[in-house]
Amino acid sequence: GESVGLHLPTLSVQEGDNSIINCAYSNSASDYFIWYKQESGKGPQFIIDIRSNMDKRQGQRVTVLLNKTVKHLSLQIAATQPGDSAVYFCAENSGGSNYKLTFGKGTLLTVNP
Amino acid sequence: NAGVTQTPKFQVLKTGQSMTLQCAQDMNHNSMYWYRQDPGMGLRLIYYSASEGTTDKGEVPNGYNVSRLNKREFSLRLESAAPSQTSVYFCASSGPRTSGAADTQYFGPGTRLTVL
Repeated sequence: GESVGLHLPTLSVQEGDNSIINCAYSNSASDYFIWYKQESGKGPQFIIDIRSNMDKRQGQRVTVLLNKTVKHLSLQIAATQPGDSAVYFCAENSGGSNYKLTFGKGTLLTVNP
Repeated sequence: NAGVTQTPKFQVLKTGQSMTLQCAQDMNHNSMYWYRQDPGMGLRLIYYSASEGTTDKGEVPNGYNVSRLNKREFSLRLESAAPSQTSVYFCASSGPRTSGAADTQYFGPGTRLTVL
């Protein structure tokens, strides 16, 4: 889930396991969602996106699930690798005519070899 | 394509000094954004430019000004830096809007600013 204080939620997994990172979004009018990966000292990197008319979208080793009923988004990473270690955060477009994304605070994923 | 580039990568300022952070994108994107990222706070939007010739305030615009110089370049200026502006600054860009939803934003590598 997302953090509310100075410390990020953390998820620690073993190499080869599947990882699930969760995000609760706030605006029921949001119609577009993105997952980003941010490695230490780098800018956020796009991973996968999903629009509100879908509930699942798959990429390479990643799947995003959207549950609009409970305003919940998850990112599943299959066969997690050490290179997947990073902060992951979700972003939502709050709908309407604006261009702005609202970002969650992130989850730190650590992959143990 | 270089994507989104930012200069400088690092900067140390004294309180009251001014500086301009530069951002450029080569993806022919219409919209550009400036964010700051602080520990535990996530990304917060400072200013954005939906298209060339327009700029709008974001969530935390105080103490900053921006210029959309042309379609490629969007600069962020601190007129009188304060310690509270110590942060990592990211520029991002996104393509044309489709279907009424924001398009993916692509980020630069960031500028790490310290104000003493």
